[in-house]
Amino acid sequence: DIQMTQSPSSLSASVGDRVTITCRASQGIRKDLGWYQQKPGRAPTRLVFGGSSLQNGVPSRFSGSGSGTEFTLTINNLQPEDFATYFCLYHDTYPYTFGQGTKLEIK
Amino acid sequence: QVQLQESGSGLLRPSETLSLACAVSGFSVGEGFYWDWIRQPPGGGLEWIGSVYATGSTHYNPSLKSRLIMSVDRSKNQFSLKLRSVTASDTAIYYCARDDYGDLLYWGQGIPVTVSS
Repeated sequence: DIQMTQSPSSLSASVGDRVTITCRASQGIRKDLGWYQQKPGRAPTRLVFGGSSLQNGVPSRFSGSGSGTEFTLTINNLQPEDFATYFCLYHDTYPYTFGQGTKLEIK
Repeated sequence: QVQLQESGSGLLRPSETLSLACAVSGFSVGEGFYWDWIRQPPGGGLEWIGSVYATGSTHYNPSLKSRLIMSVDRSKNQFSLKLRSVTASDTAIYYCARDDYGDLLYWGQGIPVTVSS
């Protein structure tokens, strides 16, 4: 089974900052990776699919990239509404695997 | 607009069977797509539980496979999960979602499940 290692587990940043979250796969994968945002008490929402395609309606300050074993989610110009927890999801083969999550907090 | 809504037993004792259903509106479960269950323990991360296709074929997380049954009910336009022999480690919020080749665009709001003696 593919294992996904997400880092960092938590991140403190300020409004206007740029942050990067990484997911590393235990072996090379295609671009079947998505990024999700979850706010307290809510279900996750999809931000990025196919490694780098932005979901309709998601601000362009979010971007996904990567291939092989390393994938990143970058958020430019952090806004107050971006402080949340982020997960990657590998879904090329079963079982699907989520990263452990990154909690993004306001500094 | 596709919407999903979980329902089922929220409080169980150890060794009982967890039964959850996910009612789908705005789309017919029989038309295609996989339909997934995902769970999240208190303060924890997300765990994929399994997928059931419109035809009833399934894929399960190996860690749960021996206790898990997922199925689709076209007449009710819903899909369901049964997890037997639950323990405290099964305490979590359970989400259902529509699975478009791994892209989980539509989610239910989640249902909390507590296992306690």
